[in-house]
Amino acid sequence: GENVEQHPSTLSVQEGDSAVIKCTYSDSASNYFPWYKQELGKRPQLIIDIRSNVGEKKDQRIAVTLNKTAKHFSLHITETQPEDSAVYFCAASIGGGADGLTFGKGTHLIIQP
Amino acid sequence: KAGVTQTPRYLIKTRGQQVTLSCSPISGHRSVSWYQQTPGQGLQFLFEYFSETQRNKGNFPGRFSGRQFSNSRSEMNVSTLELGDSALYLCASNRLIGTDTQYFGPGTRLTVL
Repeated sequence: GENVEQHPSTLSVQEGDSAVIKCTYSDSASNYFPWYKQELGKRPQLIIDIRSNVGEKKDQRIAVTLNKTAKHFSLHITETQPEDSAVYFCAASIGGGADGLTFGKGTHLIIQP
Repeated sequence: KAGVTQTPRYLIKTRGQQVTLSCSPISGHRSVSWYQQTPGQGLQFLFEYFSETQRNKGNFPGRFSGRQFSNSRSEMNVSTLELGDSALYLCASNRLIGTDTQYFGPGTRLTVL
């Protein structure tokens, strides 16, 4: 089955700086890659997703890039703010398949004031 | 549109008991997936239901089962509870299956004593 590796497990950045979280996946058939943000005690919230026919997608301060050849995708957050502090999960799935989302282990992003 | 709801939000059970958790998807969504979240294993796929049929099941023992009703509401059941079943159980709904966006409920926090 699919395996998703996520790095780093903890990331501390100064407020206003950029943060990058990287994920690799194992199954070349995967074609849907969402990112979720989970604040303490709350549900995972979808922040951005990308499908395999697109190399990059941006939404205000958040962007995701996908390299299908290398089987990795990354989350970029620019101009970080205190409210960006949370655990971020990447995931991958095979579109049309029934294996659900395979998640990375998560990255605890800490924004230092 | 109301979001995904789960009941109960918290449960305390003892080893050997069984438990049933409920999930109501977003109106119009026909697919419901269940995930187990623990600090050690992260988010792991349990199973997905679409149109009352289980599409696939993750790598969990047969003690974990589920079903979906004609109104798309879903239940999952865990029999003969073990200490290791203590976790946050999340359900997610989406309109169809595959690459469609999944929206998570708030989860049910199960503690097994």
